[in-house]
Amino acid sequence: EIVLTQSPGTLSLSPGEGATLSCRASQTVSSNYLAWYQQKSGQAPRLLIYDASSRATGIPDRFSGSGSGTDFTLTISRLEPEDFAVFFCHQYGTLPYSFGQGTKLEIK
Amino acid sequence: EVQLLESGGGLVQPGGSLRLSCVASGFTFTTFAMSWVRQAPGKGLEWVSSISGRGGSTDYGDSVRGRFTISRDNPKNTLYLQMNSLRVEDTAIYYCAKGGRYTSVDSWGHGTLVTVSS
Repeated sequence: EIVLTQSPGTLSLSPGEGATLSCRASQTVSSNYLAWYQQKSGQAPRLLIYDASSRATGIPDRFSGSGSGTDFTLTISRLEPEDFAVFFCHQYGTLPYSFGQGTKLEIK
Repeated sequence: EVQLLESGGGLVQPGGSLRLSCVASGFTFTTFAMSWVRQAPGKGLEWVSSISGRGGSTDYGDSVRGRFTISRDNPKNTLYLQMNSLRVEDTAIYYCAKGGRYTSVDSWGHGTLVTVSS
């Protein structure tokens, strides 16, 4: 099983700042099949990025994904108040599919 | 607009069974793989199972293989998860998800809570 390790566990930033979230895989993610999701309290996750760097429909361009192989990054430029939430990475290239443990982005 | 509406959750004793359903609308159901993903209270996400568009291929996570069965009824636009031999550690919100079989999940239902407790 591919283990995804996200860092940091918690990130404290202010609106207007930029955020960098990391997701490291224990093995190469096949075809860079790596997605990022945002989950707010009491809600279902929302797809932000798929295939490592493609933005999902309706996602603002301040969200961007990068990386390949085993190291992936979600970057949020110019944080808005509604961006604060928990973020998960997810690999869907190798069975069993797996999720990272999450990074909580909180308001400083 | 894609809509996924889960039902069937509830309280069940260890060793018991439950069947979850998910009615889909807003897209051509048979064209897409579907999945179940769960989230234990206060925890992260765990992929449970996926099924191909026509239902001919299924995959399971190690923790549920042999106990859970995913299926779909395409004429009814409905996805199912039959859960047998339930354990306390199966307690979670179960999300119905569009995609997830060698694709990202691009839409999620609101989830249905399954509680396994004596």
